Amino acid sequence: EADIYQTPRYLVIGTGKKITLECSQTMGHDKMYWYQQDPGMELHLIHYSYGVNSTEKGDLSSESTVSRIRTEHFPLTLESARPSHTSQYLCASSRDAYEQYFGPGTRLTVT
Amino acid sequence: RKEVEQDPGPFNVPEGATVAFNCTYSNSASQSFFWYRQDCRKEPKLLMSVYSSGNEDGRFTAQLNRASQYISLLIRDSKLSDSATYLCVVNSPNDYKLSFGAGTTVTVRA
Repeated sequence: EADIYQTPRYLVIGTGKKITLECSQTMGHDKMYWYQQDPGMELHLIHYSYGVNSTEKGDLSSESTVSRIRTEHFPLTLESARPSHTSQYLCASSRDAYEQYFGPGTRLTVT
Repeated sequence: RKEVEQDPGPFNVPEGATVAFNCTYSNSASQSFFWYRQDCRKEPKLLMSVYSSGNEDGRFTAQLNRASQYISLLIRDSKLSDSATYLCVVNSPNDYKLSFGAGTTVTVRA
């Protein structure tokens, strides 16, 4: 089993609230990723990091931001949640260009 | 054009049947190829890597055709537990990013 954790697992929140989705891994991986996935659709990369103090935007435009202050921690923040942000958010980490290990995901609903 | 395209299915097969499906990828410079499995409302997990010479892992066989830029997965002697969505995944050349297909859904019935 992969040692990568996400909290909360489920979140229902009102429009305009600020939220932070937590992701942490204990495998010492340098590379971490955030994906967004709607039901029945492909994963879209929204942010990634190849090390501490290094973050990049992914292929899908997102209003979220990320930080990487510690190797094991890669939180994602939405400053003002909107209904269009309703989705599943998956965090992953990898040691190299091969296998990515995924956390269990956060299901976000913005009302 | 999407980087990875898959037949969404669903493929409904009886237990014990063989099922096979493909995906195509657009970037001829991609070097690494994978099949991931995603159960309903769960995270994706690596099923197997795909090597140029083709490879087998128990009842699962993966093939790569670089000339035509497609990857295949064959499942023999299907089990109920094989019911899932199978994601075709391709790496970005010279990068650590992966591109995921939308998945092929397989349902194995008793």
